[in-house]
Amino acid sequence: DQQVKQNSPSLSVQEGRISILNCDYTNSMFDYFLWYKKYPAEGPTFLISISSIKDKNEDGRFTVFLNKSAKHLSLHIVPSQPGDSAVYFCAAAHGHNDMRFGAGTRLTVKP
Amino acid sequence: NAGVTQTPKFRVLKTGQSMTLLCAQDMNHEYMYWYRQDPGMGLRLIHYSVGEGTTAKGEVPDGYNVSRLKKQNFLLGLESAAPSQTSVYFCASSGQGDQPQHFGDGTRLSIL
Repeated sequence: DQQVKQNSPSLSVQEGRISILNCDYTNSMFDYFLWYKKYPAEGPTFLISISSIKDKNEDGRFTVFLNKSAKHLSLHIVPSQPGDSAVYFCAAAHGHNDMRFGAGTRLTVKP
Repeated sequence: NAGVTQTPKFRVLKTGQSMTLLCAQDMNHEYMYWYRQDPGMGLRLIHYSVGEGTTAKGEVPDGYNVSRLKKQNFLLGLESAAPSQTSVYFCASSGQGDQPQHFGDGTRLSIL
């Protein structure tokens, strides 16, 4: 059972515009949410996280929004840059030992 | 500044062969994890460890064994490889509290 879903396998945006990546989860026990970025032939690298007690967390060009009632989170990248082109994984966790990942969204930022 | 190092990076096995994947971290992390990633799916947890000498099953543990004899190393073993275990394997580690996991660059394993 996929407890974390990223329904868009791919997204293409123009450089300078906003990228919005979405993620839905089903398990209400999840209390910590993360976004990872992955380049080809490399491991995922941590991008940004949010605790369930917050609804927004911002780090530079990256902002994560959490809507607990809808069991939905999103990652906003503003402005998007060609170097942001990668696969983005959403993850949700309850404690250290139960982290579930979405299937990923491939973001392409066109110059 | 190595972080998490996985060896080997690539390997091709025949069905029934055995092998061990090595993961080493230099961040003094307590927690270590082994995941597999298959096309169209997210990373799935195979086994994890909460400290030296401890291991536990994750979401997809069948066909794999692990050992954590030293805090910095986490080994993943395949006793009798099967084609269904063809995948990319990622090791990760994390510290205490709400710390993100740090990943290695993966091992691409093909079983013929």
